[in-house]
Amino acid sequence: DQQVKQNSPSLSVQEGRISILNCDYTNSMFDYFLWYKKYPAEGPTFLISISSIKDKNEDGRFTVFLNKSAKHLSLHIVPSQPGDSAVYFCAASASKGNKLVFGAGTILRVKS
Amino acid sequence: DTGVSQDPRHKITKRGQNVTFRCDPISEHNRLYWYRQTLGQGPEFLTYFQNEAQLEKSRLLSDRFSAERPKGSFSTLEIQRTEQGDSAMYLCASSLAGPPGNTQYFGPGTRLTVL
Repeated sequence: DQQVKQNSPSLSVQEGRISILNCDYTNSMFDYFLWYKKYPAEGPTFLISISSIKDKNEDGRFTVFLNKSAKHLSLHIVPSQPGDSAVYFCAASASKGNKLVFGAGTILRVKS
Repeated sequence: DTGVSQDPRHKITKRGQNVTFRCDPISEHNRLYWYRQTLGQGPEFLTYFQNEAQLEKSRLLSDRFSAERPKGSFSTLEIQRTEQGDSAMYLCASSLAGPPGNTQYFGPGTRLTVL
C-alpha cells in the first residue's frame, strides 16, 4: 500500500512564479516529513523538513506546510528558478521507526 | 567534501553473479541506511544500522541480500546470485539518531544493471 502519495507526476511553472508541490499520506503515525530534490544520476538532496508539532517551516525560497487533519503537506518554491527543475520527493517517518517512506516523486520543470 | 560516498557508481553484471557495494557515511553519523530505487518510483527502504547493529530489515531484503557494518563506519551491501529484477539504483544514506526526527543525507547511489 502506498502510504505516501504524490498525485501529480509532473508540474510546469514559469520562472519567477510560485511552484506548489503536493503530498498526501495515510499513516497517522508519521510525525516527521521531508522534501528531497533529485537530479538524474544523483542521489536525493535534502531540502527542508517539518515536524508534526509545526504547521509551517521556511528556509529561503522554500516553505513546507503541514495540514495534519487532512494528512497533507505541500512545498512552495518562490520564486521558481530554472535550476529548480528536478524530481521532488516527499518522505515521511514515524518516531518509533527510522525508515523513510517516499512518494513516487513529481517532476518540476521551470521554464525561462 | 564530507558527504556520503558510494562505490562503485555503476556496476554491470551477468545474471547469477555476486556483487558488493560500499557506502561511507558522513563521519559523525551513527545511523546508516540502504534504499533501492527503480524507475518512476521513490526510494524504498531495505535496511538500517545504528553503529554496527542491524536494527531493521525490509521484507524486500531477500536472503540473497546481506548488509554489514562491521566497525560502525562504512557498510557493504552484497547481492548473491543476481537476477534481472535486482537492476536498480542502490542508495545509501546516513543520519544522527535523536528527536525530533532523523534527516537522512544520501549518497550518489550505485546503478546496478543485471544482464
